[in-house]
Amino acid sequence: GNSVTQMEGPVTLSEEAFLTINCTYTATGYPSLFWYVQYPGEGLQLLLKATKADDKGSNKGFEATYRKETTSFHLEKGSVQVSDSAVYFCALKAYNTDKLIFGTGTRLQVFP
Amino acid sequence: EPEVTQTPSHQVTQMGQEVILRCVPISNHLYFYWYRQILGQKVEFLVSFYNNEISEKSEIFDDQFSVERPDGSNFTLKIRSTKLEDSAMYFCASSEAGGTYEQYFGPGTRLTVT
Repeated sequence: GNSVTQMEGPVTLSEEAFLTINCTYTATGYPSLFWYVQYPGEGLQLLLKATKADDKGSNKGFEATYRKETTSFHLEKGSVQVSDSAVYFCALKAYNTDKLIFGTGTRLQVFP
Repeated sequence: EPEVTQTPSHQVTQMGQEVILRCVPISNHLYFYWYRQILGQKVEFLVSFYNNEISEKSEIFDDQFSVERPDGSNFTLKIRSTKLEDSAMYFCASSEAGGTYEQYFGPGTRLTVT
């Protein structure tokens, strides 16, 4: 079945460090891929998405590239800020469904 | 900016009791969803709802669960007889359309079954 695997957290970084959160997926067909972010006390917010292979989603300095050959969608940011501290969820949606399938989430903690 | 709202933010109930979780989706959205997250586990899909009927549901969404859109603005999840294992954060979401349209999530209702 379809599934998403994310790296375990927490990820602890100093401000301005480079961030990578790994995400790989298993899916039949060509899913759409998403990164959601959850700030403390809030709901899930879409951070970025990619709907086909080699697409790059980007938003607020975050980027992720849909890599079909490695079935990956790793999240990167060149210079994190304290305000980026949150839980990040990788998710997929298969072509024939409306449901999102989420990874376990990765908590990011950024210290000044 | 329009947002999805959920009430209550926290609900405590006794095992066997019925509970109704309420959501107000974004007003021009046509697709509605419920997800849940048991503490420390993944966010899991429960059900999607379109055109006044369930369009998809997961294995979790058994006969104890039901959804309703009682009027033009609310979308509810009812659990008829709660179990301890129903304790979780429940998220409502809505989207303008299906496919790759963004699902907008509410802040969640934390349900605690004692």
